Amino acid sequence: DAKTTQPPSMDCAEGRAANLPCNHSTISGNEYVYWYRQIHSQGPQYIIHGLKNNETNEMASLIITEDRKSSTLILPHATLRDTAVYYCIVHAGGTSYGKLTFGQGTILTVHP
Amino acid sequence: EAQVTQNPRYLITVTGKKLTVTCSQNMNHEYMSWYRQDPGLGLRQIYYSMNVEVTDKGDVPEGYKVSRKEKRNFPLILESPSPNQTSLYFCASSPRTSGSNEQFFGPGTRLTVL
Repeated sequence: DAKTTQPPSMDCAEGRAANLPCNHSTISGNEYVYWYRQIHSQGPQYIIHGLKNNETNEMASLIITEDRKSSTLILPHATLRDTAVYYCIVHAGGTSYGKLTFGQGTILTVHP
Repeated sequence: EAQVTQNPRYLITVTGKKLTVTCSQNMNHEYMSWYRQDPGLGLRQIYYSMNVEVTDKGDVPEGYKVSRKEKRNFPLILESPSPNQTSLYFCASSPRTSGSNEQFFGPGTRLTVL
């Protein structure tokens, strides 16, 4: 599976958009980009995923560059409860994935 | 309610005393996995299983064993725990289908080895 690179930390003001980048320059054609977040020491929670097209759900939007070498998770109106560690991982879809590498993630701090 | 459960949630033990952390999911998922989390190191995969009787090593398998005799259960076994295995452990499961393969995580088990 391809590895990802994320900034170790970011800050965001409450009510503003939080844009979290992720580089995955060695991503393969059949690999998806997944985003998770972890609040305090709770179990990580799935946010969103995508292959090529931009995706949006009730939690966030995912923008994937045309060459698929990087992506951005967007929390459109960050709240204090969005303070968490955000993980970007890539892996093949369907039944083709096995070993997964999460990395260290980005600590997002939302301040008043 | 669809969920992944882990037991125990907290455990303090001594070096060398064998222990098992249980993990169970009620979603009929094929894929299950164990992770450990240490400060500054993020989530690191220990072992994973793609189906019953199929297990494989993740990035940090040393000192751990797993088994997958039933689809719903994936216990993590520490035959001879050492202090460097003090960590926060998470179990996760995933459907491994053509659709979304999001992982569902358990609440975590905080292990201290003295």
